[in-house]
Amino acid sequence: EAQVTQNPRYLITVTGKKLTVTCSQNMNHEYMSWYRQDPGLGLRQIYYSMNVEVTDKGDVPEGYKVSRKEKRNFPLILESPSPNQTSLYFCASSLHRSWGYGYTFGSGTRLTVV
Amino acid sequence: LAKTTQPISMDSYEGQEVNITCSHNNIATNDYITWYQQFPSQGPRFIIQGYKTKVTNEVASLFIPADRKSSTLSLPRVSLSDTAVYYCLVGINQAGTALIFGKGTTLSVSS
Repeated sequence: EAQVTQNPRYLITVTGKKLTVTCSQNMNHEYMSWYRQDPGLGLRQIYYSMNVEVTDKGDVPEGYKVSRKEKRNFPLILESPSPNQTSLYFCASSLHRSWGYGYTFGSGTRLTVV
Repeated sequence: LAKTTQPISMDSYEGQEVNITCSHNNIATNDYITWYQQFPSQGPRFIIQGYKTKVTNEVASLFIPADRKSSTLSLPRVSLSDTAVYYCLVGINQAGTALIFGKGTTLSVSS
């Protein structure tokens, strides 16, 4: 089944403790992206990647890092999480970044930073 | 980038047809209109996309008038499981790197 898999689904952590949220897709998509979703603010892009070793900032990249060493994986790294990074995170992939219909989203990771 | 306006919320009953209208007065010539559905705590899911006139798939229909300044997502005979947020998207961000989600329409279906 074609899918984007995120792990973990739920995570509670403490301020400053480094964490990684994994994202993997099995569709051989070149484009991958991370979004966060907050009440009243909607979905906002954090980082995106056009292909292996090609990443760039989205609208809200502060406090996050990403890497794209393999086509299928696009982990989101929080080096020093803070409470304002408490949010619902989604990874998405697409065969082409501009194909609005082609985005497949993961099931989400709900992160709480205390 | 065309701004979209859609109702914040709608209520319906099982078995009814639901029409959600989205206005996008500044749509560009090469913009497609795309609708996504999102259930609570799940990622958005593509429903349908169109450019003009009418598009139908197994889930919904999309009606787009000739001037393309609005579009209507039609969900036939909704069920409780159609309760979700529906997003109307027009085009993509200026850099061509991200979908732009507005606030969407929260559809509540009751029995």
